[in-house]
Amino acid sequence: NAGVTQTPKFQVLKTGQSMTLQCAQDMNHEYMSWYRQDPGMGLRLIHYSVGAGITDQGEVPNGYNVSRSTTEDFPLRLLSAAPSQTSVYFCASSYSGGWGSPLHFGNGTRLTVT
Amino acid sequence: AQTVTQSQPEMSVQEAETVTLSCTYDTSESDYYLFWYKQPPSRQMILVIRQEAYKQQNATENRFSVNFQKAAKSFSLKISDSQLGDAAMYFCAYRSAGANSKLTFGKGITLSVRP
Repeated sequence: NAGVTQTPKFQVLKTGQSMTLQCAQDMNHEYMSWYRQDPGMGLRLIHYSVGAGITDQGEVPNGYNVSRSTTEDFPLRLLSAAPSQTSVYFCASSYSGGWGSPLHFGNGTRLTVT
Repeated sequence: AQTVTQSQPEMSVQEAETVTLSCTYDTSESDYYLFWYKQPPSRQMILVIRQEAYKQQNATENRFSVNFQKAAKSFSLKISDSQLGDAAMYFCAYRSAGANSKLTFGKGITLSVRP
């Protein structure tokens, strides 16, 4: 099984550029989410989705957009990149949160905004 | 909102010794789940262990075990017979029992293992 696949693994952007981080899972998980990881801050939730067509904001949503047109895919869009968005981004999925389903993580994307 | 606190940013342990990583959380809920994730230098997030709040018995997975104190809202991870491969960042996390609940992480602790 591929699990959760994130692309790209590394990306360098200039301030003001836009890009989309791709995330796909093949486990038929209803729940998908995006986190960013910064030194000393742990993992902070950006956006999440509980099913196709349904998205909601997490703790740090500003500057990011998401959509969920299919169960498998959950892309994260940076509309106008800023240096403060330099971070490592993780996509994660699970069955619905009930019953304490653990998250399955992708391998992360290291994004640098100059 | 739930919060998860890992107050020790770094710890070190001698190979083959035992180490305990601390975690506390704040919640008003009675039913929830707690997790420990490991992140080695490869950046991959690996589930180490999971604890259901309604279970009094502490979870164990081989050399990893937890000390879950519900009243104290404490959830520590014990690593026995530490190995060099245990060197990583460890995150404590909380998830409500309700459907579609979010996972909240602590800030993590960096564990080094001395040979």
